Amino acid sequence: QSALTQPRSVSGSPGQSVTISCTGTSSDVGAYKYVSWYQQDPGKAPKLLIYDVDKRPSGVPDRFSGSKSGNTASLTISGLQAEDEADYYCCSYAGSSYVFGTETKVTVL
Amino acid sequence: EVQLVESGGGLVQPGGSLRLSCAASGFTFSSYWMTWVRQSPGKGLEWVANIKHDGSRIYYVDSVKGRFTISRDDAKTSVYLQMNSLRAEDTAVYYCARDLRDRDNSGYFGYWGQGTLVTVSS
Repeated sequence: QSALTQPRSVSGSPGQSVTISCTGTSSDVGAYKYVSWYQQDPGKAPKLLIYDVDKRPSGVPDRFSGSKSGNTASLTISGLQAEDEADYYCCSYAGSSYVFGTETKVTVL
Repeated sequence: EVQLVESGGGLVQPGGSLRLSCAASGFTFSSYWMTWVRQSPGKGLEWVANIKHDGSRIYYVDSVKGRFTISRDDAKTSVYLQMNSLRAEDTAVYYCARDLRDRDNSGYFGYWGQGTLVTVSS
């Protein structure tokens, strides 16, 4: 299983919106609705941000949203805040296994 | 409160073995799939293995098949990862994770431990 493809970095000013893409294949992202997104601060464990493509666990701000089209999923952070500066990963079910995306570092300018 | 506490990491020589443990509390352990995810230094996340809530189904990433064994003990509310024939590329922080929803293996890792570092080096 190859890692899903994410941009290495994205950046934006406070208040702006940024979108992180996550490109897979017809065997993972394109085949299932089981796409999730994680936020990871340095030295900490990842935190679940989005599941079922576009659902947020309780406690996750509504400025985080997800979507999917074909083999590509996306995470959008609206109204970027300083505390959103972190690493982000997508993840997809791939039929008895799971594949994560490559790391995207979000920088708040 | 859900808590996952990993232990057992350390320095091991190539070809050696190590057993990781994850002690769980704060939820009905026997109702959840449990998963190990690893992260090599400065690298991304990699799903390693998971085990069904009743232990009847187990899955591994190809790179560890035949070398790693995941197991669980519901009486001790713990999940384990026995790692044999370790290689330098197995060096990583190993996280224990629980699915968001019970009896569900959608891969929504809603709860994570703090991780335990495994270093494979001579």
